[in-house]
Amino acid sequence: GENVEQHPSTLSVQEGDSAVIKCTYSDSASNYFPWYKQELGKRPQLIIDIRSNVGEKKDQRIAVTLNKTAKHFSLHITETQPEDSAVYFCAASARDDKIIFGKGTRLHILP
Amino acid sequence: DSGVTQTPKHLITATGQRVTLRCSPRSGDLSVYWYQQSLDQGLQFLIQYYNGEERAKGNILERFSAQQFPDLHSELNLSSLELGDSALYFCASSVGPGTYGYTFGSGTRLTVV
Repeated sequence: GENVEQHPSTLSVQEGDSAVIKCTYSDSASNYFPWYKQELGKRPQLIIDIRSNVGEKKDQRIAVTLNKTAKHFSLHITETQPEDSAVYFCAASARDDKIIFGKGTRLHILP
Repeated sequence: DSGVTQTPKHLITATGQRVTLRCSPRSGDLSVYWYQQSLDQGLQFLIQYYNGEERAKGNILERFSAQQFPDLHSELNLSSLELGDSALYFCASSVGPGTYGYTFGSGTRLTVV
């Protein structure tokens, strides 16, 4: 079955700097790659997603890139702000549509 | 409010007991998914239903079972509870098969003592 690896597990960046989180997936049939943000004690919320027919997608300060050949995808957050502090999960889904999540990255934005 | 309703929000029970967690999907969504999130752990996929039928199974223990009813709400039953079952249990829903993003409920925090 699908396996999603996510790195790093913890990331600290200065406010205003960029943050990058990387994921790899195992199932070449995966064609949908969402990213979720989870604040402490709250539900995961979809922040951006990308489908396999697109190599890059951007939404304001966040962007996601996908390399299907290498089976990896990344989340980029620019001009980080204190409210970006949270746990971020990457995920992958194949045609049967269940989504498999990575183990998460705890992002700390330092003042 | 995400539109996905989970009850109860908190549950404290003793080892060996049985509990039922309930989820009502967002209006129009036919698929329901259950995930377990233990302390500092990721989201472990348990089981998926689509329009009343089981569609996919993940790492769900034999002590756990679930179903989706004709009105599309779903219940996750956890029996012979152990301390290690303490976790946040999330339900999510989506329109249906295909590559759609999930909408998560607020979760049920289960504490087994």
